[in-house]
Amino acid sequence: QKEVEQNSGPLSVPEGAIASLNCTYSDRVSQSFFWYRQYSGKSPELIMSIYSNGDKEDGRFTAQLNKASQYVSLLIRDSQPSDSATYLCAVSNAGNMLTFGGGTRLMVKP
Amino acid sequence: DVKVTQSSRYLVKRTGEKVFLECVQDMDHENMFWYRQDPGLGLRLIYFSYDVKMKEKGDIPEGYSVSREKKERFSLILESASTNQTSMYLCASSLPGFGHGELFFGEGSRLTVL
Repeated sequence: QKEVEQNSGPLSVPEGAIASLNCTYSDRVSQSFFWYRQYSGKSPELIMSIYSNGDKEDGRFTAQLNKASQYVSLLIRDSQPSDSATYLCAVSNAGNMLTFGGGTRLMVKP
Repeated sequence: DVKVTQSSRYLVKRTGEKVFLECVQDMDHENMFWYRQDPGLGLRLIYFSYDVKMKEKGDIPEGYSVSREKKERFSLILESASTNQTSMYLCASSLPGFGHGELFFGEGSRLTVL
């Protein structure tokens, strides 16, 4: 069973801090990695994609990929209350099938 | 602005009824997907389609069927609704190839089966 694991949280951080969200995956041949944000009662929206080892930055968001250790992380700098949401990690394998983790709920406190 | 539109936001149906969930995308995407999302179980893939007239089973296809007669439209059909199909249903679309996992989701259809 190919799995994507996330701590369900909630992860609570103060406003202005760095939020660190982690995701591990079991399928070594996974090729593409995605982070989705889902506000309560809304549908997921893509915020980051990463395809090669290392860091990818987009504004306050940084995705980090380490294929040897089979983990991908999302850092949110200068966290804002509006970042409070559930963050879903998704991984696709060589067959282009996407598997979602269960999500980590992030709470940013003012 | 890109858009995936699901026809119904909220539906209440009775056990045994036939249910149609419609999804239309205006991005000319080849790939379309139907997921359901349940607390504690996350997002699970029901069916997907890479082209018109084409469909593939996802992880939980039992009790569902799909139809894709036009590129922009992907329908999910519950032939005989059951209470365990009460859920949030999410349609999504994407481009083919390497970026296929960059999904655009619709607003969702919350189905309650009584």
